[in-house]
Amino acid sequence: NAGVTQTPKFQVLKTGQSMTLQCAQDMNHEYMSWYRQDPGMGLRLIHYSVGAGITDQGEVPNGYNVSRSTTEDFPLRLLSAAPSQTSVYFCATSTGSYQPQHFGDGTRLSIL
Amino acid sequence: DQQVKQNSPSLSVQEGRISILNCDYTNSMFDYFLWYKKYPAEGPTFLISISSIKDKNEDGRFTVFLNKSAKHLSLHIVPSQPGDSAVYFCAARSRTSGSRLTFGEGTQLTVNP
Repeated sequence: NAGVTQTPKFQVLKTGQSMTLQCAQDMNHEYMSWYRQDPGMGLRLIHYSVGAGITDQGEVPNGYNVSRSTTEDFPLRLLSAAPSQTSVYFCATSTGSYQPQHFGDGTRLSIL
Repeated sequence: DQQVKQNSPSLSVQEGRISILNCDYTNSMFDYFLWYKKYPAEGPTFLISISSIKDKNEDGRFTVFLNKSAKHLSLHIVPSQPGDSAVYFCAARSRTSGSRLTFGEGTQLTVNP
């Protein structure tokens, strides 16, 4: 998925550790979002941003923090990892409300 | 409260035949619907969308039908090809949700040669 880069691709953490999932885009899209995908539950929105300096909560924001200091980057922070946060995380961008979102390839996160 | 539901976790069809993937929703404020396809170890990719002012949208082998009174949409793939084997997600946004999308659980489509 050219344009949306997520790092790392895989990560294993211990309970209580903190980490930041990176998302970078080079398409100058204003809208950026973070989703998590869990078996049988589709993709659920964690946090989103409609532009630099503006963020808001999605459906499942607890335990996660975000910031948007530039148009290009939208990092997702886990402050104190819990096993329930084991999931695949996707970052997505779009040019507007009625435009399709472009997804990165995901970060697979395991918390022991 | 699952506002977008894909009741079939999996679907298997023969190559060349039609694949029909279904999606139901409960929120009458939804006004824009999308289908995404996802291969293993990749992010979802946009396939086709439809606005609530239409009842059909076509793009090559892919057609999406929207029945607003039944709160139901479907994705038809004709003819199905083995490369279409993937997980398909239905998604919707409402007039009040801005860019936020609500996704269904996904349906695993397998197209057999």
